[in-house]
Amino acid sequence: DAGVTQSPTHLIKTRGQQVTLRCSPKSGHDTVSWYQQALGQGPQFIFQYYEEEERQRGNFPDRFSGHQFPNYSSELNVNALLLGDSALYLCASSLGPGEQPQHFGDGTRLSIL
Amino acid sequence: RKEVEQDPGPFNVPEGATVAFNCTYSNSASQSFFWYRQDCRKEPKLLMSVYSSGNEDGRFTAQLNRASQYISLLIRDSKLSDSATYLCVVKNTNAGKSTFGDGTTLTVKP
Repeated sequence: DAGVTQSPTHLIKTRGQQVTLRCSPKSGHDTVSWYQQALGQGPQFIFQYYEEEERQRGNFPDRFSGHQFPNYSSELNVNALLLGDSALYLCASSLGPGEQPQHFGDGTRLSIL
Repeated sequence: RKEVEQDPGPFNVPEGATVAFNCTYSNSASQSFFWYRQDCRKEPKLLMSVYSSGNEDGRFTAQLNRASQYISLLIRDSKLSDSATYLCVVKNTNAGKSTFGDGTTLTVKP
């Protein structure tokens, strides 16, 4: 039973660059949510995708965008990277966008120089 | 004020101790509640869901008080392996949004 997989595991970028992070949900899950976690803080909700549409969005600027594919996998894109975007980016999947708990991938650690 | 608030700790307890964590939330529309644990530099892992009637899973007991908008986690007979950060999560299922607290750090010492 494949869990949530994310790639890459680590990434180093410079300010102004663009980055794409990828996520494959747990087998049987159809909903993907993305979170940003800074050191010492809880994960902050970026957005959720269900049925290939962005269903809900947190307080993140338009530089953060995403996509969900027909196979339920998802991408997170961040444009015009800032130093403050350095964080652990977590993908979580669930069965439906409702009350079911989410299962997390190992995350992508993004460092901006 | 944060939407989900937790005492950050740290809680330092000896093996075998009982420890309780509290969490308050401000959005009364929240409908689902969970506790996750997160080890250092790892992903959060689901510990347990929290139900209105209270629920227990081995040494772990979770309680929900909707009137007071309060969630708790009780750990009995603490083990060294319980050392981690415990995250409280509230979910507005209509909005599809989960909100995490910043976590409570527990260290269990021999």
